[in-house]
Amino acid sequence: DQQVKQNSPSLSVQEGRISILNCDYTNSMFDYFLWYKKYPAEGPTFLISISSIKDKNEDGRFTVFLNKSAKHLSLHIVPSQPGDSAVYFCAATTLTGTASKLTFGTGTRLQVTL
Amino acid sequence: NAGVTQTPKFRILKIGQSMTLQCTQDMNHNYMYWYRQDPGMGLKLIYYSVGAGITDKGEVPNGYNVSRSTTEDFPLRLELAAPSQTSVYFCASSYPGGYTEAFFGQGTRLTVV
Repeated sequence: DQQVKQNSPSLSVQEGRISILNCDYTNSMFDYFLWYKKYPAEGPTFLISISSIKDKNEDGRFTVFLNKSAKHLSLHIVPSQPGDSAVYFCAATTLTGTASKLTFGTGTRLQVTL
Repeated sequence: NAGVTQTPKFRILKIGQSMTLQCTQDMNHNYMYWYRQDPGMGLKLIYYSVGAGITDKGEVPNGYNVSRSTTEDFPLRLELAAPSQTSVYFCASSYPGGYTEAFFGQGTRLTVV
């Protein structure tokens, strides 16, 4: 049972354009969401997060939007740069847990072309 | 600033062999985790620990054991390796609390043949 879903395995975007990565979840207990970026042969690195009490969080070129009623979140990257080419994982967790036990999506591979 | 360090980076095991994946962190994080990532899949939680001497099962604990004798170290033990354990293993650590991001090591690529 995949509680966090990233339905697009890959995405190709031109440099300078907007990249939009989508994520859906089924567990209504999730109240904190994170995006991780992963380069080949490296571990995931934290990118941006959002609490369920917000519907938007922005950090430089990266913005995460949360639609709780639709159980959907998205990551916007504007403008996209070649160095953004990586696999992006959406993850979710619950505040009631004692640890950041993350449930991950399957990832979306973003390729930013020149 | 090393962060989370995993050893080895690569390993090939024969079916039935055992090994320990090492993980150490220098950020004084209470919480540590082991995840595995299979091809085309997300990361799945194997075991986690909220402090020295305290461990608990995650989503996919079968075939693994852990221990946490110090804050810094969280080794993962594979007994009787099976082909289904071929995967990339990631160790992570975080500060206490649910609203904190986890910091990951570079991973150990394990192949069981």
